[in-house]
Amino acid sequence: AQSVSQHNHHVILSEAASLELGCNYSYGGTVNLFWYVQYPGQHLQLLLKYFSGDPLVKGIKGFEAEFIKSKFSFNLRKPSVQWSDTAEYLCAVNARNTDKLIFGTGTRLQVFP
Amino acid sequence: GAVVSQHPSRVICKSGTSVKIECRSLDFQATTMFWYRQFPKKSLMLMATSNEGSKATYEQGVEKDKFLINHASLTLSTLTVTSAHPEDSSFYICSASILMGDIGYTFGSGTRLTVV
Repeated sequence: AQSVSQHNHHVILSEAASLELGCNYSYGGTVNLFWYVQYPGQHLQLLLKYFSGDPLVKGIKGFEAEFIKSKFSFNLRKPSVQWSDTAEYLCAVNARNTDKLIFGTGTRLQVFP
Repeated sequence: GAVVSQHPSRVICKSGTSVKIECRSLDFQATTMFWYRQFPKKSLMLMATSNEGSKATYEQGVEKDKFLINHASLTLSTLTVTSAHPEDSSFYICSASILMGDIGYTFGSGTRLTVV
């Protein structure tokens, strides 16, 4: 069965620091990959997604992610975080032989001014 | 486009009663919908896949007799929490997949269930 791991459960950063959140999945076949953000009290918002093509994907709010197939990874990055980036970040994977979307455990990001 | 409407947004019920949560696709037909549960400060756990016109497929460890799923039309899936108990209190979210055209998934706004 496919699974998704996010190793950073809680990340605390100061404003302007760089961010990298890890996401690894276990599935040998072709996948679609997603990062979602959930701000406090709000519902899920898509940050970016990868279906095919350029493995470096740019999303909203200055986020990007790189799909490294050999490492089964899809890490999220942002060069300079802002206080408003404080939120829960969820990586999700869809194995293309199903419609299911499986989420990782999530990473809580706190950014201090 | 591709909006999923979920109701109610909040519900409080007494222990032992049943609660129905509705998920509607507003501008597209959803042959498949998904139901997730989010525990406090935890991620989304896939409970089941709802298939229009057939039985739902439940993930391992999810009680199908407690969480009844019905997908009677291409635009409506319902989740009924039967004989609810306080441990069923959680945030439930529905989703539909739109994988053709690389669109992805659309999510309902969620239902906060509190069982007292």
